[in-house]
Amino acid sequence: GQNIDQPTEMTATEGAIVQINCTYQTSGFNGLFWYQQHAGEAPTFLSYNVLDGLEEKGRFSSFLSRSKGYSYLLLKELQMKDSASYLCAPNTGGFKTIFGAGTRLFVKA
Amino acid sequence: EAQVTQNPRYLITVTGKKLTVTCSQNMNHEYMSWYRQDPGLGLRQIYYSMNVEVTDKGDVPEGYKVSRKEKRNFPLILESPSPNQTSLYFCASSLLGEGGYTFGSGTRLTVV
Repeated sequence: GQNIDQPTEMTATEGAIVQINCTYQTSGFNGLFWYQQHAGEAPTFLSYNVLDGLEEKGRFSSFLSRSKGYSYLLLKELQMKDSASYLCAPNTGGFKTIFGAGTRLFVKA
Repeated sequence: EAQVTQNPRYLITVTGKKLTVTCSQNMNHEYMSWYRQDPGLGLRQIYYSMNVEVTDKGDVPEGYKVSRKEKRNFPLILESPSPNQTSLYFCASSLLGEGGYTFGSGTRLTVV
């Protein structure tokens, strides 16, 4: 079966660093996406990891360990506008991507 | 501007009244997909299409139909909507072999 686990909610302070974890079990695996979704809006693409390791893109970084079925999204220098849901989404092959329920991040002043 | 356009944004309808949600993309993407999003369940794939006249079921296809007669358009059809199809629907597209969907703005459907 397919299973994606990520925390339901997290709270962090403006200017801080937060790490959002995701574990997954899928029948196939090509890579893992992270998307950001503000309330009532469409998801927007943040990152795609295919190989193990950390990929950095500005304030956002994403890490993947294929052998452990584990990924995290690291957000640095948090801003109020980072308050959103973050969706972990493994690509399971055949151009199919499945989505976790998402982690709602609240950034407080 | 590169985008996926969905219409309508909001729709309230009655049980059994056929409806169509349109989706159009201007990026010449081969791959298009429909998702529904419900609280606590994440995005679940309804149908997808890898090119014109090529469609396949996703995880929750029951009660839905799609067609892909042109590359840019991928309408979602509910022949006989029921209240359990009340949801937020997203259309998405991407280039085959490349990561990252572009999503439409969403359609909030209520079936009473």
